Amino acid sequence: EADIYQTPRYLVIGTGKKITLECSQTMGHDKMYWYQQDPGMELHLIHYSYGVNSTEKGDLSSESTVSRIRTEHFPLTLESARPSHTSQYLCASSAAGGTGNTIYFGEGSWLTVV
Amino acid sequence: AQTVTQSQPEMSVQEAETVTLSCTYDTSESDYYLFWYKQPPSRQMILVIRQEAYKQQNATENRFSVNFQKAAKSFSLKISDSQLGDAAMYFCAYAYSGTASKLTFGTGTRLQVTL
Repeated sequence: EADIYQTPRYLVIGTGKKITLECSQTMGHDKMYWYQQDPGMELHLIHYSYGVNSTEKGDLSSESTVSRIRTEHFPLTLESARPSHTSQYLCASSAAGGTGNTIYFGEGSWLTVV
Repeated sequence: AQTVTQSQPEMSVQEAETVTLSCTYDTSESDYYLFWYKQPPSRQMILVIRQEAYKQQNATENRFSVNFQKAAKSFSLKISDSQLGDAAMYFCAYAYSGTASKLTFGTGTRLQVTL
């Protein structure tokens, strides 16, 4: 299995709360990604990073924010959670270089906002 | 914009049999990659197989092989000698070479393996 870890795996929070989903990888990968996946649906890229201090928004608009202060760490934050944010969030990473490099995924964080 | 279409929401195969999962995509680019990812229930998504668009030869990984038809923009996955552990969601994905590995996914096919 890949060395990429997400916490928490499952979280139920109330509307308006601030939450941070943690993602860490020990493979030294420069590229990291956050995907959002509703149950039974496809994944949509919401954030990505080429390296430290680099962050870009993905194809799907998201109210979340990310930071990349360390190579191994790529947390995602929701300042004020809403029920529409209920989803699974998948963190991923890949080595620098070509597009064909394998992208490794974490186990995902299931977020439920009530 | 690139799109990936998986027209089979669910498929079922008997153990030891062969099954083919379909995927079509739309792109105006000529240099890209295609992938099949497997997502077991509550487990990590893992790469099954990848295909580089400029390679005519179909990729093969053990029991998994693809049928890549570039002109038809088709990329099907064949699983031979199916095993119970093959049961999962399978996602077809596309990445343009110039987009730093950003993947566009299809909606997935849920594969059931029966005894």
